[in-house]
Amino acid sequence: GQQLNQSPQSMFIQEGEDVSMNCTSSSIFNTWLWYKQDPGEGPVLLIALYKAGELTSNGRLTAQFGITRKDSFLNISASIPSDVGIYFCAGHQADKIIFGKGTRLHILP
Amino acid sequence: NAGVTQTPKFQVLKTGQSMTLQCAQDMNHEYMSWYRQDPGMGLRLIHYSVGAGITDQGEVPNGYNVSRSTTEDFPLRLLSAAPSQTSVYFCASSYGTEKNIQYFGAGTRLSVL
Repeated sequence: GQQLNQSPQSMFIQEGEDVSMNCTSSSIFNTWLWYKQDPGEGPVLLIALYKAGELTSNGRLTAQFGITRKDSFLNISASIPSDVGIYFCAGHQADKIIFGKGTRLHILP
Repeated sequence: NAGVTQTPKFQVLKTGQSMTLQCAQDMNHEYMSWYRQDPGMGLRLIHYSVGAGITDQGEVPNGYNVSRSTTEDFPLRLLSAAPSQTSVYFCASSYGTEKNIQYFGAGTRLSVL
């Protein structure tokens, strides 16, 4: 099946630092999505990207849909404690939505 | 404003037992899907449905059955539970696939002994 390669698997950062994570695929996706999952809850959509090259922001979060349609990245600026969680990329391909394995973000006190 | 409701939240089964995980949405969404989440594996698609009466397999369908008799409900059935099915299960729904936000339930944590 289709796979999304998400990196890094985990990150340990200091509060206030910027964060960058990315997602790549060997296949083309028509839509890229970024979700966040808090402990004990389901994923919640952060940003949706619909066109190659699109750059979209949501507060301190910025995501881009790669020109080749095979990759996307998510940046978080000036991290705060509530940013802790697992971030997933996901892509639409026909009727299926495929998820990456996630990036677990830890913020050091 | 219930959104996507999953029941039960927790379940323990013995190997070989059967059970149904319930999923209901009140947003009149056509598209519904089931995922399982295992440590280090992300979310893997089990089955999905693009509308009432239509279901299809995802990445990991073996051991699971689904049906979609109404727009609102999309139950996931385990006919003979196995320890490998110990996982957290999430149901999600959206108006469609392309250009539509998918909403997730809070999950069902299943342990098979």
